[in-house]
Amino acid sequence: AQRVTQPEKLLSVFKGAPVELKCNYSYSGSPELFWYVQYSRQRLQLLLRHISRESIKGFTADLNKGETSFHLKKPFAQEEDSAMYYCALSGRRRGSTLGRLYFGRGTQLTVWP
Amino acid sequence: ETGVTQSPTHLIKTRGQQVTLRCSSQSGHNTVSWYQQALGQGPQFIFQYYREEENGRGNFPPRFSGLQFPNYSSELNVNALELDDSALYLCASSPVGASAGTQYFGPGTRLTVL
Repeated sequence: AQRVTQPEKLLSVFKGAPVELKCNYSYSGSPELFWYVQYSRQRLQLLLRHISRESIKGFTADLNKGETSFHLKKPFAQEEDSAMYYCALSGRRRGSTLGRLYFGRGTQLTVWP
Repeated sequence: ETGVTQSPTHLIKTRGQQVTLRCSSQSGHNTVSWYQQALGQGPQFIFQYYREEENGRGNFPPRFSGLQFPNYSSELNVNALELDDSALYLCASSPVGASAGTQYFGPGTRLTVL
């Protein structure tokens, strides 16, 4: 069965400090991993995908298949990064979990000035 | 591009009633998914529609049903409402050719069942 675990419900850091939001997953196959973000009073939106290997708003995430993790990192947090972050996975094989997003419970990040 | 829209914004129903929630996808998006988000939890997959046919279903009972229309708008219907159905219901659409997990979310409909 597929599962996404975000162990921290709340995470607080000061502006300029590094931040790491943890995500571990279990999935029998080759998943696609995502980070979605929800800023205050805004809708849920895609932040980044592991396949893209991109950096968005200074955030990066590397898929570690050995540790089944997909932690989100940023070297210098900004106040505008304060938001709820959700890790999610989707299957790649048509007919199974393709197109379904399985979300973790989310981590509320607060960046203090 | 107007984005994914949902209506109504809020809804209050009583136990046993039926409810219909509506979603309008972005232009060029042919896949729509519905999620239930209980308080303090991440969204949970209900089902997905592709070209007007159900294309996968999560662990939800048959009283949760849906429709997708030729213009890619969609409905979520819930019969015999229960108190536990109180949640935020999210609609998300995916553009043609995109990764299936790349989804654009609407603002949600907050359903309260009394």
